[in-house]
Amino acid sequence: QSALTQPASVSGSPGQSITISCTGTSSDVGSYNLVSWYQQHPGKAPKLMIYEGSKRPSGVSNRFSGSKSGNTASLTISGLQAEDEADYYCCSYAGSSTYVVFGGGTKLTVL
Amino acid sequence: QVQLVESGGGVVQPGRSLRLSCAASGFSFSSYVMHWVRQAPGKGLEWVTVIWYDGSNKYYADSVKGRFTISRDNSKNTLYLQMNSLRAEDTAVYYCARDGVYGSQTPWYYFDYWGQGTLVTVSS
Repeated sequence: QSALTQPASVSGSPGQSITISCTGTSSDVGSYNLVSWYQQHPGKAPKLMIYEGSKRPSGVSNRFSGSKSGNTASLTISGLQAEDEADYYCCSYAGSSTYVVFGGGTKLTVL
Repeated sequence: QVQLVESGGGVVQPGRSLRLSCAASGFSFSSYVMHWVRQAPGKGLEWVTVIWYDGSNKYYADSVKGRFTISRDNSKNTLYLQMNSLRAEDTAVYYCARDGVYGSQTPWYYFDYWGQGTLVTVSS
C-alpha cells in the first residue's frame, strides 16, 4: 500500500481536461511544498512534469499544471492529447524519518 | 546533454550481493545530490536512498536500511549502490536520479533527470 493515494485510472477524450488527485497526510503533502509529479510511458524512465507543487520544468507543456489544498495535491492536464496517455505518479517529501513517499500511480487513458 | 547510465543489474540468488553503478555526464556531477529509486515489475515507484553532493550524508528507506549502501566517486562522475543480503522483494528496475537543484546543500527531493534503469532479479 502506497503512502500517497491516487486513483488507479482516469480517462478523457482528446481536447478535454482531467485532474489526478494525490492524497497524503499532514506529515507529507500537508506539511511541505515539495510535491512533484512524474509521467511514465511503458518501458521508459519517469519524466518530471511538476515540482514544488506547481512549477513546470523547462520543456514541459503548459497544459500540465499542479496545485495543492491541505493534504491533497492535484495534477491537471488540459487539452488532452494522445501522447499524454501514460502512468502518472505523485511524490512528496515526508520529513526526516521517511524522507520520500510516492503515490501508487494513475493510468491515464486518452479515449 | 544530461545523461545517467546505470549498469550492474542481473540475476542474483537470495542472500547474495550486487553493486550497481550510475555513470553521469553532461553536468557538474559533484554539485548535485543524487538518489536511487526502484520499481518492482508492474508496480509503482519506491524511493531507496539519497547521498549528499559531497557524500557527507546518506539516508535510506526502511526497507533497505542496513542492507544497502549508497556511495559516489566525484572524480569518476559515478554513483554506486551496494546491495547486500538481497531478498526476492528487492527485485526491481533500479533508477539513479538527479536531485532537482544545482549546488544545494540539502536535497529538494524531486528528480529532474533519470537514467534508463537496470533490472535486478533476486531468485534462486
